[in-house]
Amino acid sequence: EVQLVESGGGLVQPGGSLRLSCAASGFTFNTYNMNWVRQAPGKGLEWIAYIGGSSSAIYYADSVKGRFTISRDNAKNSLYLQMNSLRAEDTAVYYCARDSLDPVPYDYWGQGTLVTVSS
Amino acid sequence: DIVMTQSPDSLAVSLGERATINCKSSQSVLYSSDNKNYLTWYQQKPGQPPKLLIYWASTRESGVPDRFSGSGSGTDFTLTISSLQAEDVAVYYCQQYYTTPRTFGPGTKVDIK
Repeated sequence: EVQLVESGGGLVQPGGSLRLSCAASGFTFNTYNMNWVRQAPGKGLEWIAYIGGSSSAIYYADSVKGRFTISRDNAKNSLYLQMNSLRAEDTAVYYCARDSLDPVPYDYWGQGTLVTVSS
Repeated sequence: DIVMTQSPDSLAVSLGERATINCKSSQSVLYSSDNKNYLTWYQQKPGQPPKLLIYWASTRESGVPDRFSGSGSGTDFTLTISSLQAEDVAVYYCQQYYTTPRTFGPGTKVDIK
């Protein structure tokens, strides 16, 4: 069974940093492209970062470019999101989501981790 | 960036009736080399992550009930729930994956009338 479990969310002050993790299981992690998608409270979905299976391709949304870094450790079946210079508008539930092999976006999602940026 | 719009913002439908949600992209998401529309539909119930329903605009994900169907091509797409069930109350999002950034529509909330 495919499972994605996010962790690392919490309350952080504006300008602070946080590192999110996503533990993957139930599939061959290194053959799948992975993403982070976020959802501000009561709002819609926003894709923010993508990483290919071998980390050779990485893309970011303009809203986080230069502040967030996506990475993965295939030996540990883990996906990461390093978030720096956090702003109030980064407050959201952060989901990791897997692309299928077709590749169709987001065939599996984690339950999400809440990041709150507030003083 | 490709801008996705959806209509209506919300709708209320009686149990067993049809629900129709429209999605429009600011440019075509039909890829000429494979003749596929790079569009997905997701369902999100309260407190849950989104769930993939439809990809390539009209292909139902495994396990999705056949009352859900997707149609359209180019820039105009539709998600139809042929006979609304209580468990279909949710917000529905379309998304294009033709180009990066992959952009979502704003969502359509479906309720029971």
